[in-house]
Amino acid sequence: RKEVEQDPGPFNVPEGATVAFNCTYSNSASQSFFWYRQDCRKEPKLLMSVYSSGNEDGRFTAQLNRASQYISLLIRDSKLSDSATYLCVVNGPNDYKLSFGAGTTVTVRA
Amino acid sequence: GAGVSQSPSNKVTEKGKDVELRCDPISGHTALYWYRQSLGQGLEFLIYFQGNSAPDKSGLPSDRFSAERTGGSVSTLTIQRTQQEDSAVYLCASSLWETQYFGPGTRLLVL
Repeated sequence: RKEVEQDPGPFNVPEGATVAFNCTYSNSASQSFFWYRQDCRKEPKLLMSVYSSGNEDGRFTAQLNRASQYISLLIRDSKLSDSATYLCVVNGPNDYKLSFGAGTTVTVRA
Repeated sequence: GAGVSQSPSNKVTEKGKDVELRCDPISGHTALYWYRQSLGQGLEFLIYFQGNSAPDKSGLPSDRFSAERTGGSVSTLTIQRTQQEDSAVYLCASSLWETQYFGPGTRLLVL
């Protein structure tokens, strides 16, 4: 079983729509959770950390469900510039070691 | 401030040749990581440095792969006798705490 699993998508949505997707993780001892964004042929960039109480950053909302071991990301009022692959990232058995999901692709169309 | 830099940005080599990839982390970041990303795949952990030590080399695919870090700063990843399956983007990241910041990567193509 992969440490982090994501629906690869793609999620094709019109501008202004809301899109949401989850990832699941296998290590119940994980403590740190992140969403990274990766544009085509670019490096991953941190989008936001995910906190136990859930957190919001502008149009982006992240939720953590420890009991079910999943993390979600919701994007409101989608913009064309939100088109990217979103990587779910969880720290693994050792604090320093991050496990990356394969990514969920989102395409926002005009 | 300056981010993580990597060189070369692209490398084409012939099967059997050795290659060296370089990473310059963000100044002051004690931790440095190497990952590999094949086309359409997730990031594969290769090695982790804390200072100049590599407490975790578990992700190195074979003994053809090695890495070192000097002065707690620059790191080089060396691939000896390259094979076509080594073709991928090699990403370096650095961190001070838990958030990792990535360099632009080196695209390696082995012909």
